[in-house]
Amino acid sequence: QVQLQQWGAGLLRPSETLSLTCAIYGGSFSGYFWNWIRQAPGKGLEWIGEVRLDGDINYNPSLKSRVTILVDTSKNQFSLKLASMTAADTGLYFCAGRRKASDFWGRGTLVTVSS
Amino acid sequence: SYELTQPPSVSVSPGQTARITCSGDALPRKYVYWYQQKSGHPPFLVIFEDNKRPPEIPERFSASNSGTVATLTIAGARVEDEADYYCYSTDSTSSYRVFGGGTKLTVL
Repeated sequence: QVQLQQWGAGLLRPSETLSLTCAIYGGSFSGYFWNWIRQAPGKGLEWIGEVRLDGDINYNPSLKSRVTILVDTSKNQFSLKLASMTAADTGLYFCAGRRKASDFWGRGTLVTVSS
Repeated sequence: SYELTQPPSVSVSPGQTARITCSGDALPRKYVYWYQQKSGHPPFLVIFEDNKRPPEIPERFSASNSGTVATLTIAGARVEDEADYYCYSTDSTSSYRVFGGGTKLTVL
């Protein structure tokens, strides 16, 4: 059974860069779509970006200018960087992997942006 | 940018059939996935590729995708099915993924 463990700083000041990492245990990196998804307090899910089966990386157009997803297949990890954070970026950030019926999520990292 | 539209809320009595819709222009050409999210937990996949059910999902969950509207149906809804439900799909150019705004299902 694949498990995802995610970590990173949970408290940021405005203008700082968010950095989160997600490690994949019990499965290989290949064969799945790997995603970052966030959820503002009391709001719905927002897709941030994805590493695709062919290795391509796609981003939410509304975040594309600030977001970078990096992959380290040697460590079975992928990471998220989101620059120029503001209070509007406060929320729960999830890493997730999916292929057909197989769907795995990290527990989420609560990220708060406050001065 | 591409959007998926869901009703904010649906309410049924226990044992009734709940239907949650998801509208999007690209749905005739793109798979829809449905997620259930209970408070304090990550989302949980209940339907993949329009109408397929993961092995652990009860048969009372079903779904369809017809035209520009996808529908999640919960037959004989139970109190334990109370949750937020999100549809998830891809824009027409397969450039990015999108979640619907979510539907809060109340069973009481």
